[in-house]
Amino acid sequence: GQNIDQPTEMTATEGAIVQINCTYQTSGFNGLFWYQQHAGEAPTFLSYNVLDGLEEKGRFSSFLSRSKGYSYLLLKELQMKDSASYLCAVILRGQAGTALIFGKGTTLSVSS
Amino acid sequence: EAGVVQSPRYKIIEKKQPVAFWCNPISGHNTLYWYRQNLGQGPELLIRYENEEAVDDSQLPKDRFSAERLKGVDSTLKIQPAELGDSAVYLCASTSTGGIAEAFFGQGTRLTVV
Repeated sequence: GQNIDQPTEMTATEGAIVQINCTYQTSGFNGLFWYQQHAGEAPTFLSYNVLDGLEEKGRFSSFLSRSKGYSYLLLKELQMKDSASYLCAVILRGQAGTALIFGKGTTLSVSS
Repeated sequence: EAGVVQSPRYKIIEKKQPVAFWCNPISGHNTLYWYRQNLGQGPELLIRYENEEAVDDSQLPKDRFSAERLKGVDSTLKIQPAELGDSAVYLCASTSTGGIAEAFFGQGTRLTVV
């Protein structure tokens, strides 16, 4: 079966750096996305990784190691508005095309 | 460009009643997903469409849930009859087909079954 694991909750302070880890055991892996979801809102795209390595996008970076089934999302210079749920999602390719499967999400609380 | 549109935003029904959700994906997006999200959880895939064909409905509880995507554009998800455990947010997402493309989500329908 498919399995995607993330920590349930994390806390951090304004201005700090936080790393949210995601491990996966899947078949047909074709890439990994990170989404941000504020309470009561829809998930919004943050980043994606297809190849191993680091992708940087402003204050957010995402890393992928396909051989280890591991990714992380790095958030720098944390702001209060970064308090949200962060969802790791894996793209799986099968006979019927690709599907996007989510982990349970990590709730990040940023305090002043 | 308009995003993914879902309606209604909120729905409260009594158990055993039917309910339907509607989704209009982004124009040109052939892939459409329906997810269910419980509080504090990630989205759980219910069904995926490629154009008008349901290509992955293995997680859809077929005894009470049904979905359709006529003409490969709009989609509806129906529950009949609803149970208390169906209370959740139902999210629709769409993406272009082929390669790696981000999925765009609608605002979701928050269903409360009482």
